[in-house]
Amino acid sequence: NAGVTQTPKFQVLKTGQSMTLQCAQDMNHEYMSWYRQDPGMGLRLIHYSVGAGITDQGEVPNGYNVSRSTTEDFPLRLLSAAPSQTSVYFCASSYGWGNTIYFGEGSWLTVV
Amino acid sequence: AQSVSQHNHHVILSEAASLELGCNYSYGGTVNLFWYVQYPGQHLQLLLKYFSGDPLVKGIKGFEAEFIKSKFSFNLRKPSVQWSDTAEYFCAVNAGNNDMRFGAGTRLTVKP
Repeated sequence: NAGVTQTPKFQVLKTGQSMTLQCAQDMNHEYMSWYRQDPGMGLRLIHYSVGAGITDQGEVPNGYNVSRSTTEDFPLRLLSAAPSQTSVYFCASSYGWGNTIYFGEGSWLTVV
Repeated sequence: AQSVSQHNHHVILSEAASLELGCNYSYGGTVNLFWYVQYPGQHLQLLLKYFSGDPLVKGIKGFEAEFIKSKFSFNLRKPSVQWSDTAEYFCAVNAGNNDMRFGAGTRLTVKP
């Protein structure tokens, strides 16, 4: 039972570098999303997808891109990393937005 | 968009004490309500959820929450906490749209 798998778990980037956080789920969930978790601010929705080929912005989308070419995968791209993007990132999936969300184990990203 | 407020940022209790964590949301329509828990070093897991029906919802590990529509609240309770309940607790609200909003979280520390 893999569930939601994220990689890498830890990453250090220099300002201006780009990178992709990978996310895959094996539960055939239509809905996938990316959140960032910052102290005192809880989880904030970055981008989400309601199915293959469909993505939309969440609460804090600036500086991030996503794509959904398959049901299973939902990568998050940082275009030009900034120190403000230092955070813990969680990928999540569910059958629908009213249903239970299953989270990945998180990716700790530091931008220096 | 809906928003979620968690009143307590950090709660410290002794074992066997009773727990109540506050959660209020701002949305006038039908909502789905959730409490998630994040144990140290782990990802978020569902504690309990409310979709409809009995406003008193029972979850795992002896937790329960009461939905009070008139107060826009969904407070989490446990009669007697244990050291193993030390974690961060997040309230979340989905208003039937493609958006799940989380509160800022409440850190619970239980002293043995």
